[in-house]
Amino acid sequence: KQEVTQIPAALSVPEGENLVLNCSFTDSAIYNLQWFRQDPGKGLTSLLLIQSSQREQTSGRLNASLDKSSGRSTLYIAASQPGDSATYLCAVLSSNDYKLSFGAGTTVTVRA
Amino acid sequence: SQTIHQWPATLVQPVGSPLSLECTVEGTSNPNLYWYRQAAGRGLQLLFYSVGIGQISSEVPQNLSASRPQDRQFILSSKKLLLSDSGFYLCAWSRMQIQAFFGQGTRLTVV
Repeated sequence: KQEVTQIPAALSVPEGENLVLNCSFTDSAIYNLQWFRQDPGKGLTSLLLIQSSQREQTSGRLNASLDKSSGRSTLYIAASQPGDSATYLCAVLSSNDYKLSFGAGTTVTVRA
Repeated sequence: SQTIHQWPATLVQPVGSPLSLECTVEGTSNPNLYWYRQAAGRGLQLLFYSVGIGQISSEVPQNLSASRPQDRQFILSSKKLLLSDSGFYLCAWSRMQIQAFFGQGTRLTVV
């Protein structure tokens, strides 16, 4: 059974600091890994998608890496802003059964 | 373009009443479909997923059921709601090589 873990559970940083969010998964048989953002009371917004054959993806201030063999992904957010305050979730799509499994998320607070 | 519709946005139901939440997808065929529940301040719990019409995998034994009567339609149901069924329900679809898309969610309050 795929287990997805996100560390830390919560993070508070001053504006301008870089953010590092970690995601680990137990089964490396995946199609892809995806990072999402969720604002309070809202649905999920996709941030980055990394295919299993890729090592990283970048979008603006966001960069995500994937090490499939070790079951790890890291989301970097450069020069954080108060608007980055949200919960960040990672999810893996299993290549065995197409199950999309989520971590519990990291709640980020960026202080102005 | 690909879109996903989920309704209603909010729902207040009494204990013991039935439930039917519907999710439809446009702009793609043969999607993998998912129902999740999110309790307040918690992560996403996978309830059901489907890789084809009539094919439903249940993740957690509970008071809910799911059906996929058409390729792009996924329905979450209950015959009798419990207080513990309250939460934020999210429908999603994915394909192997593209990102997963989520509906806007249904906030269910059982009273």
